[in-house]
Order: sequence, then structure tokens, then C-alpha cells
Amino acid sequence: DAGVTQSPTHLIKTRGQQVTLRCSPKSGHDTVSWYQQALGQGPQFIFQYYEEEERQRGNFPDRFSGHQFPNYSSELNVNALLLGDSALYLCASSLFSDTQYFGPGTRLTVL
Amino acid sequence: AQKITQTQPGMFVQEKEAVTLDCTYDTSDQSYGLFWYKQPSSGEMIFLIYQGSYDEQNATEGRYSLNFQKARKSANLVISASQLGDSAMYFCAMSPRNSGGYQKVTFGTGTKLQVIP
Repeated sequence: DAGVTQSPTHLIKTRGQQVTLRCSPKSGHDTVSWYQQALGQGPQFIFQYYEEEERQRGNFPDRFSGHQFPNYSSELNVNALLLGDSALYLCASSLFSDTQYFGPGTRLTVL
Repeated sequence: AQKITQTQPGMFVQEKEAVTLDCTYDTSDQSYGLFWYKQPSSGEMIFLIYQGSYDEQNATEGRYSLNFQKARKSANLVISASQLGDSAMYFCAMSPRNSGGYQKVTFGTGTKLQVIP
């Protein structure tokens, strides 16, 4: 039973660039949520996707956008990267917004 | 708005001993869920245990139990018979529950547990 997978594992970008992170949910799950975890802090909710629609959004600027595909996988896009966007980005999946199971994360470094 | 408070930044426990990690929460929602996650140094967030606000019995999962005191708004995690592999960051989290299930999960700042041989 495959768990949540994320790609890439690590990523280095420069300020002003754009980045796309990818997530495949756990088998049987249909809902994907994204979180940002800065060093030494707890994860912060970015948004959640269900049936290819954004259901709820946290306090993040419009530079953060997402997409969910018919196979339930998801992408997180961040435009105009800032140094402060450096963080671990975690994807979590669930079955209709039940308990969320997390992937290994993508560590983004912005230089 | 929901808030999670974990007052223990770091804790030590002897191997094979039990340890309690504290968590208090604040919410105006009547229906909500409480979660504990473990985050080893590798970064992956591992789900440990869940408690619904209307569950009358405390949740247990193997060596993990959740001491839920609704009136005090506390949801402490108890780990019995600690093992070296339990050394990690532990996050308490909560989410309001509505017809759409659990959506935004709010996390505390975490407690770093170190198990001593």
C-alpha cells in the first residue's frame, strides 16, 4: 500500500523564480492538503483540494496556487519566490477530509 | 480561530519509562478533532493517534494513548515503554469538523523528545 509521495525531495531556486512541487496521495485517498513548515516551527496550512477544487485556504498570498488532477494527485506552485519561502513543504492526503497522512516533504531553498 | 499550545520545548525520558507530552487547545467549535504526529529528523510527519471531540473514551494506539480532558481543553499524549526510536519532534494538532470533514489542521510548536538509553 503506497503512502503519500512527493517530488522532488530537495530543490534550490533563486529569488523571483517559480517552482512546482508535486504530490501523489495515498492509495484510496481523494483529498490533498499542502502545508509549509519553516525551520523550528509547526506546519502552516496553505490549502486543501477535493474534487479538483480548492476547498479551503490558509493565510498565504496569491503567489501560492495549486491544482488537483482527476487522478487526485496535486501540484503546488509558488511564483516570484522570496527568501522567506525557504521551508519544508508537506503534502497530506485523506479520504474526504478525514485524518490526514503526510508525505516525506520537499525541502525548498531560495537563494 | 484555533490555537494549540505545547509548553514543553524539549523533554528527556529514560528508555522503557513512560512519558507525557502536554497539549492544550483553544477553539470555539463544538465538533473538532485532535491529532498527534511524530516528526523524526528525516522530516516526514507520522500520524500517531486521533481523538474526536465527542468521543467519550480516550483514544489508544499501541503504546500511545491520548489523555483527553475536554473541560480543561487538554489532549496530552502518553507514550508507554519508551524506545530509542521514539526520539523525535511531536506535534499536537487540531481541526474543526464540519460537513466537509477536517480541512485546515492547526499545529502546535512541537516538543522534542529524547530517549536516553
